[in-house]
Amino acid sequence: EAGVTQFPSHSVIEKGQTVTLRCDPISGHDNLYWYRRVMGKEIKFLLHFVKESKQDESGMPNNRFLAERTGGTYSTLKVQPAELEDSGVYFCASSRWGQLDTEAFFGQGTRLTVV
Amino acid sequence: DQQVKQNSPSLSVQEGRISILNCDYTNSMFDYFLWYKKYPAEGPTFLISISSIKDKNEDGRFTVFLNKSAKHLSLHIVPSQPGDSAVYFCAASRPSFTGKLIFGQGTTLQVKP
Repeated sequence: EAGVTQFPSHSVIEKGQTVTLRCDPISGHDNLYWYRRVMGKEIKFLLHFVKESKQDESGMPNNRFLAERTGGTYSTLKVQPAELEDSGVYFCASSRWGQLDTEAFFGQGTRLTVV
Repeated sequence: DQQVKQNSPSLSVQEGRISILNCDYTNSMFDYFLWYKKYPAEGPTFLISISSIKDKNEDGRFTVFLNKSAKHLSLHIVPSQPGDSAVYFCAASRPSFTGKLIFGQGTTLQVKP
């Protein structure tokens, strides 16, 4: 079974440009989460999808960030326009719905560098 | 306001000895706690978890202890092995609520041969 995959693994863009990150969750996982780790600090929650619906987007930093999950399969996270403070590692995670002891499976992350 | 804290950024132990990683939380509504391990250039991988109705959970060399009154949990690794060298993240959750994880800053464990 394939794990959570993220594309690209690295991205270097200039301030003001647009970047789109993609996450393919484990097949059959209704829950999809985006997290971010900045400068070796804690991993911070960004948002949570249940299938194609946004369940919780309380962690999204501002309106420059847009997440979608059309059809309830893969998800994209777009940053437009990117700022220097957006640099960090963006993780995607997925889990099954309805099991309290289920643990989220993480992708390898996308390292975003804004210069 | 950080709700989950790992106050030790790093820990170094000798192979075969015990590693103890600590974690404190502030929100008494958390009812599920997890430890994740992360190697460089990889995503966090689930290690062990504990529900708030328990005070101990054991899985092989890994044991997690929960002290609800102190809002403190710890991860014990016995015996420690060089392959355990990684960053360990403590996380808390309210599965009955949304299932999102609140992470600590991580502790880098180095196990010396």
